[in-house]
Amino acid sequence: GNSVTQMEGPVTLSEEAFLTINCTYTATGYPSLFWYVQYPGEGLQLLLKATKADDKGSNKGFEATYRKETTSFHLEKGSVQVSDSAVYFCALSEQGAQKLVFGQGTRLTINP
Amino acid sequence: DTGVSQNPRHKITKRGQNVTFRCDPISEHNRLYWYRQTLGQGPEFLTYFQNEAQLEKSRLLSDRFSAERPKGSFSTLEIQRTEQGDSAMYLCASRGHVRSGANVLTFGAGSRLTVL
Repeated sequence: GNSVTQMEGPVTLSEEAFLTINCTYTATGYPSLFWYVQYPGEGLQLLLKATKADDKGSNKGFEATYRKETTSFHLEKGSVQVSDSAVYFCALSEQGAQKLVFGQGTRLTINP
Repeated sequence: DTGVSQNPRHKITKRGQNVTFRCDPISEHNRLYWYRQTLGQGPEFLTYFQNEAQLEKSRLLSDRFSAERPKGSFSTLEIQRTEQGDSAMYLCASRGHVRSGANVLTFGAGSRLTVL
């Protein structure tokens, strides 16, 4: 079945550091890929998405590129801020399917 | 647009009791989803409604769980005879018509269940 595997956390970085959170997936077709973020006490929010191979999703300085050859969708940001501290979830949705399949989440803490 | 609203935000109950959670989706969204999230894990799909019709149910949704969306607006998730293993965050999400985007869900803040 479909699955998503994320880099294990927690991840702790200093402000202005470079961030990578790895995400790989297993899917039978051509899924859409997503990164959701969950700030403390809030609901999950869509951070970015990509719907086909080689698409790059970007938002708030974060980027992720849909790599079909490596079945990956790694999240990157060039210079993190304290306000980026949150839990990040990689997810996929098969074509025509309604449900999202999530990874286990990666907790990110940014220290000033 | 007030977002997806869930109530109560936290419920503490004793094993064997019944609990009910309510979700009010974004008003123009016709699709509504329930997910369960346990500590340290990602959300797991439970069930999905399109308008008032429940179109998909996960095997995670045992016969003690029932979800309804009677008028195609708000939804309720009831858990009967709760067990300690039911302790989790129950998330509701909604989405508009397919043409509005590829499965972009708007999530509520969740209802946390603690079964003692």
